[in-house]
Amino acid sequence: ELKVEQNPLFLSMQEGKNYTIYCNYSTTSDRLYWYRQDPGKSLESLFVLLSNGAVKQEGRLMASLDTKARLSTLHITAAVHDLSATYFCAVPSFIGGADGLTFGKGTHLIIQP
Amino acid sequence: GAVVSQHPSRVICKSGTSVKIECRSLDFQATTMFWYRQFPKQSLMLMATSNEGSKATYEQGVEKDKFLINHASLTLSTLTVTSAHPEDSSFYICSASPGLTGELFFGEGSRLTVL
Repeated sequence: ELKVEQNPLFLSMQEGKNYTIYCNYSTTSDRLYWYRQDPGKSLESLFVLLSNGAVKQEGRLMASLDTKARLSTLHITAAVHDLSATYFCAVPSFIGGADGLTFGKGTHLIIQP
Repeated sequence: GAVVSQHPSRVICKSGTSVKIECRSLDFQATTMFWYRQFPKQSLMLMATSNEGSKATYEQGVEKDKFLINHASLTLSTLTVTSAHPEDSSFYICSASPGLTGELFFGEGSRLTVL
């Protein structure tokens, strides 16, 4: 059974600081997804990482994937209040093609002025 | 980017009634769509895979007779919660993929409250 673990589950940080969210998964996968969720809203797609060593950046967020270690990171650089949200990583249940996803429990991020 | 739309966004119903939620892919065709459920302050859990023209595939522990899924066209899947009870109150979210980039897009979600 595929398990996806995120840590930390809760993070409070100050604006301007850097931090990393970690996502480990238990079985081989060829892709990993990162999503953002604001309170009461659905998911916003941040990154899809499709290969080992993949690194993607968008603004203050950068995601990477190490398929050998079954680890992905989401790095936040110089955090700003607008990045406060819950961040989920997710892995497909089966290799190959879009599939139903298994989600981590989410990291609730609060960025304080 | 690709758009997935759900309707209704919010629904309140009495216990014992049935509720239908629609999920549409607005600018692409999707032979497969996925339904998730999210309870407050929890993560998303996959309920079922909706397959156009065939029966849905349900995850372990999800009652197929309670959560009826119909994928009648390449752009529409529906989830019907039959004989809803308060414990069915949740945020239901669908997703679909255009299939080209590996990206999965999520609908806006439908918040069901059963009184």
